[in-house]
Amino acid sequence: DQQVKQNSPSLSVQEGRISILNCDYTNSMFDYFLWYKKYPAEGPTFLISISSIKDKNEDGRFTVFLNKSAKHLSLHIVPSQPGDSAVYFCAASGWTGTASKLTFGTGTRLQVTL
Amino acid sequence: DGGITQSPKYLFRKEGQNVTLSCEQNLNHDAMYWYRQDPGQGLRLIYYSQIVNDFQKGDIAEGYSVSREKKESFPLTVTSAQKNPTAFYLCASSIAPTGGHSPLHFGNGTRLTVT
Repeated sequence: DQQVKQNSPSLSVQEGRISILNCDYTNSMFDYFLWYKKYPAEGPTFLISISSIKDKNEDGRFTVFLNKSAKHLSLHIVPSQPGDSAVYFCAASGWTGTASKLTFGTGTRLQVTL
Repeated sequence: DGGITQSPKYLFRKEGQNVTLSCEQNLNHDAMYWYRQDPGQGLRLIYYSQIVNDFQKGDIAEGYSVSREKKESFPLTVTSAQKNPTAFYLCASSIAPTGGHSPLHFGNGTRLTVT
Protein backbone atom coordinates (compact mmCIF):
# COMPACT_ATOMS: atom_id res chain seq x y z
CA ASP A 1 0.00 0.00 0.00
CA GLN A 2 1.91 3.01 -1.30
CA GLN A 3 0.72 5.92 0.84
CA VAL A 4 3.04 8.43 -0.83
CA LYS A 5 3.27 8.37 -4.60
CA GLN A 6 5.49 10.11 -7.08
CA ASN A 7 4.00 9.12 -10.42
CA SER A 8 6.71 10.61 -12.62
CA PRO A 9 9.90 8.58 -12.41
CA SER A 10 11.81 11.19 -14.40
CA LEU A 11 11.65 14.78 -15.57
CA SER A 12 13.85 16.76 -17.95
CA VAL A 13 13.93 20.57 -17.83
CA GLN A 14 16.05 23.19 -19.54
CA GLU A 15 18.37 25.30 -17.46
CA GLY A 16 16.67 28.52 -16.35
CA ARG A 17 13.16 27.10 -16.65
CA ILE A 18 10.86 25.98 -13.86
CA SER A 19 10.96 22.38 -12.58
CA ILE A 20 7.77 21.06 -11.02
CA LEU A 21 7.89 17.79 -9.13
CA ASN A 22 4.65 16.26 -7.93
CA CYS A 23 3.64 14.03 -5.06
CA ASP A 24 0.31 12.52 -4.03
CA TYR A 25 -0.62 10.95 -0.72
CA THR A 26 -3.53 8.94 0.60
CA ASN A 27 -3.32 9.28 4.39
CA SER A 28 -5.15 12.39 5.60
CA MET A 29 -3.45 12.05 9.01
CA PHE A 30 -0.03 13.06 7.66
CA ASP A 31 0.93 16.30 9.44
CA TYR A 32 4.21 17.29 7.79
CA PHE A 33 5.63 16.92 4.31
CA LEU A 34 9.27 17.05 3.29
CA TRP A 35 11.38 16.97 0.15
CA TYR A 36 14.80 15.35 0.03
CA LYS A 37 17.37 15.51 -2.74
CA LYS A 38 19.70 12.63 -3.51
CA TYR A 39 22.82 12.43 -5.66
CA PRO A 40 24.11 9.02 -6.83
CA ALA A 41 25.99 7.01 -4.19
CA GLU A 42 25.14 9.56 -1.49
CA GLY A 43 22.50 9.78 1.19
CA PRO A 44 19.48 12.06 0.72
CA THR A 45 19.74 15.61 2.02
CA PHE A 46 16.83 17.57 3.43
CA LEU A 47 15.61 20.32 1.11
CA ILE A 48 12.39 21.89 2.34
CA SER A 49 9.31 21.02 4.38
CA ILE A 50 5.76 22.19 4.94
CA SER A 51 3.31 21.75 7.77
CA SER A 52 -0.18 20.49 6.95
CA ILE A 53 -1.61 23.75 8.30
CA LYS A 54 0.10 25.75 5.56
CA ASP A 55 -0.30 25.75 1.81
CA LYS A 56 3.03 27.23 0.75
CA ASN A 57 6.59 27.39 1.97
CA GLU A 58 9.42 29.12 0.15
CA ASP A 59 13.18 28.91 0.53
CA GLY A 60 15.21 30.65 -2.13
CA ARG A 61 14.67 28.95 -5.48
CA PHE A 62 12.56 26.20 -3.88
CA THR A 63 8.86 26.46 -3.12
CA VAL A 64 6.60 23.70 -1.87
CA PHE A 65 2.84 23.91 -2.36
CA LEU A 66 0.34 21.79 -0.45
CA ASN A 67 -3.24 21.14 -1.56
CA LYS A 68 -4.83 19.21 1.30
CA SER A 69 -8.19 18.71 -0.35
CA ALA A 70 -6.51 17.05 -3.32
CA LYS A 71 -3.90 15.33 -1.12
CA HIS A 72 -1.24 16.69 -3.42
CA LEU A 73 2.00 18.57 -2.99
CA SER A 74 4.49 19.91 -5.45
CA LEU A 75 8.03 21.25 -5.40
CA HIS A 76 8.86 24.16 -7.70
CA ILE A 77 12.46 24.99 -8.54
CA VAL A 78 12.96 28.35 -10.23
CA PRO A 79 15.23 28.86 -12.04
CA SER A 80 16.48 25.32 -12.55
CA GLN A 81 20.25 24.84 -12.56
CA PRO A 82 22.40 21.91 -13.75
CA GLY A 83 23.40 21.23 -10.13
CA ASP A 84 19.75 20.51 -9.37
CA SER A 85 20.00 17.29 -11.38
CA ALA A 86 19.31 14.59 -8.80
CA VAL A 87 16.60 12.27 -7.52
CA TYR A 88 13.96 14.04 -5.43
CA PHE A 89 12.02 12.15 -2.77
CA CYS A 90 8.79 13.35 -1.27
CA ALA A 91 8.15 12.20 2.32
CA ALA A 92 5.22 12.49 4.70
CA SER A 93 5.22 12.37 8.47
CA GLY A 94 2.50 10.76 10.54
CA TRP A 95 1.97 9.50 14.06
CA THR A 96 1.78 5.70 14.37
CA GLY A 97 0.53 5.68 17.94
CA THR A 98 3.96 5.20 19.45
CA ALA A 99 6.18 7.33 17.23
CA SER A 100 6.17 9.75 14.36
CA LYS A 101 7.24 8.03 11.17
CA LEU A 102 8.32 9.17 7.71
CA THR A 103 6.91 7.50 4.60
CA PHE A 104 8.83 8.10 1.38
CA GLY A 105 7.72 8.21 -2.23
CA THR A 106 9.59 6.34 -4.95
CA GLY A 107 11.46 9.40 -6.19
CA THR A 108 11.63 11.50 -9.37
CA ARG A 109 14.88 11.84 -11.27
CA LEU A 110 15.32 15.43 -12.41
CA GLN A 111 17.67 16.20 -15.28
CA VAL A 112 18.43 19.86 -15.93
CA THR A 113 19.85 20.30 -19.42
CA LEU A 114 21.96 23.13 -20.78
CA ASP B 1 32.37 18.39 11.03
CA GLY B 2 29.36 16.60 12.42
CA GLY B 3 27.78 13.87 10.43
CA ILE B 4 26.87 10.24 9.97
CA THR B 5 29.46 7.71 8.92
CA GLN B 6 28.47 4.45 7.33
CA SER B 7 31.06 1.82 6.61
CA PRO B 8 31.97 0.17 4.42
CA LYS B 9 30.67 1.84 1.26
CA TYR B 10 30.52 -1.47 -0.59
CA LEU B 11 30.10 -4.90 0.98
CA PHE B 12 30.01 -8.32 -0.61
CA ARG B 13 28.85 -11.48 1.15
CA LYS B 14 27.99 -15.04 0.33
CA GLU B 15 24.45 -16.22 0.80
CA GLY B 16 23.86 -17.70 4.23
CA GLN B 17 26.28 -15.40 6.03
CA ASN B 18 25.24 -12.74 8.51
CA VAL B 19 26.72 -9.30 7.92
CA THR B 20 26.81 -6.19 10.09
CA LEU B 21 26.64 -2.67 8.69
CA SER B 22 28.15 0.10 10.77
CA CYS B 23 26.55 3.48 11.48
CA GLU B 24 28.11 6.13 13.70
CA GLN B 25 26.94 9.70 14.28
CA ASN B 26 28.56 12.61 16.10
CA LEU B 27 25.58 14.94 15.85
CA ASN B 28 24.41 14.13 19.39
CA HIS B 29 21.07 13.04 17.96
CA ASP B 30 18.76 10.91 20.06
CA ALA B 31 16.98 9.09 17.24
CA MET B 32 18.55 6.81 14.62
CA TYR B 33 17.08 4.88 11.71
CA TRP B 34 17.88 2.28 9.10
CA TYR B 35 16.31 2.46 5.64
CA ARG B 36 16.65 0.28 2.62
CA GLN B 37 16.47 1.53 -0.97
CA ASP B 38 15.73 -0.73 -3.92
CA PRO B 39 15.51 0.33 -7.58
CA GLY B 40 12.15 1.92 -8.35
CA GLN B 41 11.12 1.96 -4.72
CA GLY B 42 11.14 4.59 -2.04
CA LEU B 43 13.13 4.34 1.14
CA ARG B 44 11.62 1.72 3.41
CA LEU B 45 12.11 1.78 7.17
CA ILE B 46 13.78 -1.28 8.68
CA TYR B 47 14.33 -0.33 12.32
CA TYR B 48 14.47 2.82 14.37
CA SER B 49 15.65 3.81 17.82
CA GLN B 50 14.40 6.84 19.69
CA ILE B 51 16.80 6.48 22.60
CA VAL B 52 19.71 4.36 23.80
CA ASN B 53 18.83 0.76 24.66
CA ASP B 54 15.50 1.00 22.87
CA PHE B 55 14.53 0.22 19.28
CA GLN B 56 11.41 -0.54 17.30
CA LYS B 57 10.64 -2.49 14.15
CA GLY B 58 9.88 -0.55 11.04
CA ASP B 59 7.93 -1.70 8.00
CA ILE B 60 10.36 -4.39 6.81
CA ALA B 61 12.19 -5.65 9.91
CA GLU B 62 12.09 -9.37 9.08
CA GLY B 63 15.57 -10.82 8.64
CA TYR B 64 17.29 -7.85 10.29
CA SER B 65 18.46 -7.07 13.82
CA VAL B 66 19.86 -3.97 15.50
CA SER B 67 21.34 -2.80 18.78
CA ARG B 68 21.63 0.63 20.39
CA GLU B 69 24.12 0.34 23.22
CA LYS B 70 25.57 3.80 22.66
CA LYS B 71 23.97 7.04 21.51
CA GLU B 72 26.46 7.38 18.69
CA SER B 73 26.13 3.91 17.23
CA PHE B 74 23.30 1.93 15.60
CA PRO B 75 24.65 -1.16 13.79
CA LEU B 76 22.40 -3.21 11.54
CA THR B 77 22.85 -6.96 11.10
CA VAL B 78 21.48 -8.52 7.94
CA THR B 79 20.87 -12.14 8.81
CA SER B 80 20.66 -15.17 6.56
CA ALA B 81 16.89 -15.08 7.12
CA GLN B 82 16.57 -11.94 4.98
CA LYS B 83 15.34 -13.26 1.63
CA ASN B 84 16.52 -10.40 -0.60
CA PRO B 85 19.42 -8.73 1.20
CA THR B 86 21.07 -7.12 -1.84
CA ALA B 87 20.21 -3.42 -1.59
CA PHE B 88 21.45 0.06 -0.72
CA TYR B 89 21.24 0.63 3.03
CA LEU B 90 20.94 4.10 4.51
CA CYS B 91 21.38 5.09 8.13
CA ALA B 92 19.88 8.33 9.41
CA SER B 93 19.51 10.30 12.60
CA SER B 94 17.38 13.14 13.91
CA ILE B 95 17.49 15.40 16.94
CA ALA B 96 14.22 14.00 18.20
CA PRO B 97 11.97 11.20 16.98
CA THR B 98 11.21 12.10 13.42
CA GLY B 99 8.59 14.27 11.95
CA GLY B 100 8.69 17.36 9.85
CA HIS B 101 9.88 19.21 12.91
CA SER B 102 13.05 17.15 12.99
CA PRO B 103 14.36 16.30 9.50
CA LEU B 104 16.51 13.26 9.01
CA HIS B 105 20.24 13.50 8.40
CA PHE B 106 21.47 10.62 6.27
CA GLY B 107 24.78 8.86 5.88
CA ASN B 108 26.15 8.06 2.43
CA GLY B 109 24.93 4.50 2.51
CA THR B 110 26.34 1.00 2.19
CA ARG B 111 25.68 -1.03 -0.92
CA LEU B 112 25.39 -4.67 0.07
CA THR B 113 25.64 -7.40 -2.55
CA VAL B 114 24.90 -10.98 -1.56
CA THR B 115 25.65 -13.76 -4.04
